[in-house]
Amino acid sequence: QTVVTQEPSLTVSPGGTVTLTCASSTGAVTTDYFPNWFQQKPGQAPRALFYSATTRYSWTPARFSGSLIGDKAALTLSGVQPEDEAEYFCLLYYRGAWVFGGGTKLTVL
Amino acid sequence: QVQVVQSGAEMKKPGASVKLSCKTSGYSFTSYYVHWVRQAPGQGLEWMGMIITHSGGAVYAQKFQGRASMTRDTSTSTQYMELNTLRPDDTAVYFCVRVGYNAFDYWGQGTLVVVSS
Repeated sequence: QTVVTQEPSLTVSPGGTVTLTCASSTGAVTTDYFPNWFQQKPGQAPRALFYSATTRYSWTPARFSGSLIGDKAALTLSGVQPEDEAEYFCLLYYRGAWVFGGGTKLTVL
Repeated sequence: QVQVVQSGAEMKKPGASVKLSCKTSGYSFTSYYVHWVRQAPGQGLEWMGMIITHSGGAVYAQKFQGRASMTRDTSTSTQYMELNTLRPDDTAVYFCVRVGYNAFDYWGQGTLVVVSS
């Protein structure tokens, strides 16, 4: 059973920069894992931010970027806004199944 | 525009079954798969499986094999997810998601299923 690991929580100041990561128990995360990133606010459905690690949607704010850093997928927020406070989930594909990370609760303080 | 609209909340007793619907519109129905994801209260997201809309085939997460059934009706562009032998820990919000080129782009609003005696 693949386990996908994210930081449980992070705190960032308004205007700051923060990087969230997504690791796989199977080894290095590559584009073959088709990393997806989502933002979820309380009481709402998740909103898609990135797919294939780095490809943004038309609605993804420019201050968000997706990448592969070392052996992990990463989501970087630059110039963080108060409205970025939310939970962020990554999703990886492995051998015919998709597995979500446990999520990172991002606090803007 | 793309729309993904799910059916309303359900309350079921343990051992019962539930069948949820997910109506999609605004795009070519058979050009995208539809996946199902659930979220227990206060917990993370859990992938359940997917329906291959052009063939009607389905792929399930190992945990749900034998207990979940995903189907579609091409005439109404509607997907269904039936979960059998419900337990209290199946209480969750169930989402359907349009997926193309490995991009989980459009999500339904979610359906709350409560399993309680």
